Amino acid sequence: EVQLLESGGGLVQPGGSLRLSCAASGFTFSSHAMSWVRQAPGKGLEWVSTLNNNGGSAYFADSVRGRFTVSRDNSQNTLSLHMHSLRAEDTAVYYCATIPLSGTQYFQHWGQGTLVTVSS
Amino acid sequence: EIVLTQSPATLSLSPGERATLSCRASQSVSSYLTWYQQKPGQAPRLLIYDVSNRATGIPARFSGSGSGTDFTLTISNLEPEDFAVYYCQQRSSWPLTFGGGTKVEI
Repeated sequence: EVQLLESGGGLVQPGGSLRLSCAASGFTFSSHAMSWVRQAPGKGLEWVSTLNNNGGSAYFADSVRGRFTVSRDNSQNTLSLHMHSLRAEDTAVYYCATIPLSGTQYFQHWGQGTLVTVSS
Repeated sequence: EIVLTQSPATLSLSPGERATLSCRASQSVSSYLTWYQQKPGQAPRLLIYDVSNRATGIPARFSGSGSGTDFTLTISNLEPEDFAVYYCQQRSSWPLTFGGGTKVEI
């Protein structure tokens, strides 16, 4: 069974930094691209970033490019999102999600999410 | 950026009825259109990918159709557990984008 467990969320001041992690199990992590999708309170879904299976190619939404980076450790089955220069509008539940083996860019399995609150 | 517009925003129906949800793209996304279901307090769940392919474990009462810019998710014979918010998503081009969602309520 695919399991994705996000962690690292919390309260951070504007301008601060935070690192989110996603621990994966139940599938061959190193074979799949992975993504982060967020959802502001009471709002819809917003794609944040996608990282290919070997960590060599990353894509970002314009809203986070230059402030967020993404990495993975295939030996530890872990995906990370490094968030810097955080803004109030980054407040959201952050989900990690798997991309199918085919590489087609939809989100097959989702974690339960971790809440990031940016506020002073 | 491809903008996806979902309509209606809210659909009020009863169990046993048919739900028809629309997703319109600002430019063609070919057949690269996906649907998700989200219940309150839960993560989204993949329903249908590439317009009409049901994900593993999704009941046959869920079906998708369309191409280019106009897409439809149909839920025939609504079950109580189907009342949720539904999102469409395109993978035709970066950035990946979602529609604003349609809430199916009783």
